[in-house]
Amino acid sequence: GQNIDQPTEMTATEGAIVQINCTYQTSGFNGLFWYQQHAGEAPTFLSYNVLDGLEEKGRFSSFLSRSKGYSYLLLKELQMKDSASYLCAVSSGNTPLVFGKGTRLSVIA
Amino acid sequence: SQTIHQWPATLVQPVGSPLSLECTVEGTSNPNLYWYRQAAGRGLQLLFYSVGIGQISSEVPQNLSASRPQDRQFILSSKKLLLSDSGFYLCAWSSSALGETQYFGPGTRLLVL
Repeated sequence: GQNIDQPTEMTATEGAIVQINCTYQTSGFNGLFWYQQHAGEAPTFLSYNVLDGLEEKGRFSSFLSRSKGYSYLLLKELQMKDSASYLCAVSSGNTPLVFGKGTRLSVIA
Repeated sequence: SQTIHQWPATLVQPVGSPLSLECTVEGTSNPNLYWYRQAAGRGLQLLFYSVGIGQISSEVPQNLSASRPQDRQFILSSKKLLLSDSGFYLCAWSSSALGETQYFGPGTRLLVL
């Protein structure tokens, strides 16, 4: 079976840094995705990690450790518009992505 | 560039009525297509996916069905809606393999009364 765990909710202050963790157990692993979903809108693709290490993309970075079944999304210089749900998803074999339930991030002033 | 469309954007339907939601993709050929449902404040539930015309895989048994009459068209249907069918329905596409990045349409918000 496949299992993906993320914290349900997080709160952080504008201008700060926040780390959203994701752990997974899957049979086979091809890569890990992060999506952002604002309330009432569709998810949008943020990042994809297939190799261990940190991938940086502007204010957002994503880290992967395949041996630990662990990833995190790092958001720097938080802005109010970063308030959203962040979904972790895993690809394993030629099957559809498996999504976690998402982490709802609230950025406060 | 590729774009994905869904309609209608919102829908209010009585219990027991039929349903037809449409999704179309532009700018790519032979995409993999997906239907998800997201209940309020909940995660994404994969309902159906398709790797080609006429090929439908069902993930969750329920009163919904899907069809793919054309390469870039994916339709979600029901003969009789239930209250529990209310939710946010999202269509997505990916290229080549099923494990590739998925790109989502704008979604249809369905309220069954």
